[in-house]
Amino acid sequence: NAGVTQTPKFRVLKTGQSMTLLCAQDMNHEYMYWYRQDPGMGLRLIHYSVGEGTTAKGEVPDGYNVSRLKKQNFLLGLESAAPSQTSVYFCASTSASHSNQPQHFGDGTRLSIL
Amino acid sequence: RKEVEQDPGPFNVPEGATVAFNCTYSNSASQSFFWYRQDCRKEPKLLMSVYSSGNEDGRFTAQLNRASQYISLLIRDSKLSDSATYLCVVSLNTGFQKLVFGTGTRLLVSP
Repeated sequence: NAGVTQTPKFRVLKTGQSMTLLCAQDMNHEYMYWYRQDPGMGLRLIHYSVGEGTTAKGEVPDGYNVSRLKKQNFLLGLESAAPSQTSVYFCASTSASHSNQPQHFGDGTRLSIL
Repeated sequence: RKEVEQDPGPFNVPEGATVAFNCTYSNSASQSFFWYRQDCRKEPKLLMSVYSSGNEDGRFTAQLNRASQYISLLIRDSKLSDSATYLCVVSLNTGFQKLVFGTGTRLLVSP
């Protein structure tokens, strides 16, 4: 009963380093999302995917890239980490585009950039 | 103006109290509405969807007023375990499901 799994759970990077966050879902969901959550702000959409092989920009995409090579996986990459990218990152998925479907979230990745 | 606005709180209430949270949204094209619960340093979890006619789930009652673009959540007989942040979320269907999150209202229930 895994649902949405994010790895790693925690990471500390130095400015300029790169890394990839992995999101995996076992619910056969078409739609997947990456959000960041910062103090005093609601979750903000970074990138999303409406199906295998497709990705699109969300509200705050700068500094991030994504890939959806397999339906169950959605990767978020930071090519050159910056302190402003220190945040908690959540992945989510949902079964359809219908607006009344809730999204299921992973338990987050806490990322610190020094 | 934020798309979804909530009072950040915190709301400090004793066990057994009734507490209400309000939320307003700015986009009249919003189609679906939710309350999510988020515990400290954890992921958001769906508490309940909000329907136009209002709906209840145990101690929780949600109301929607589309004309005023206003959503509410009422919690009766508060429990210690209700302590959390409650996120008001609206959904737009713009070719994909776009969720817009409020910053959350923090609830602290004390013995």
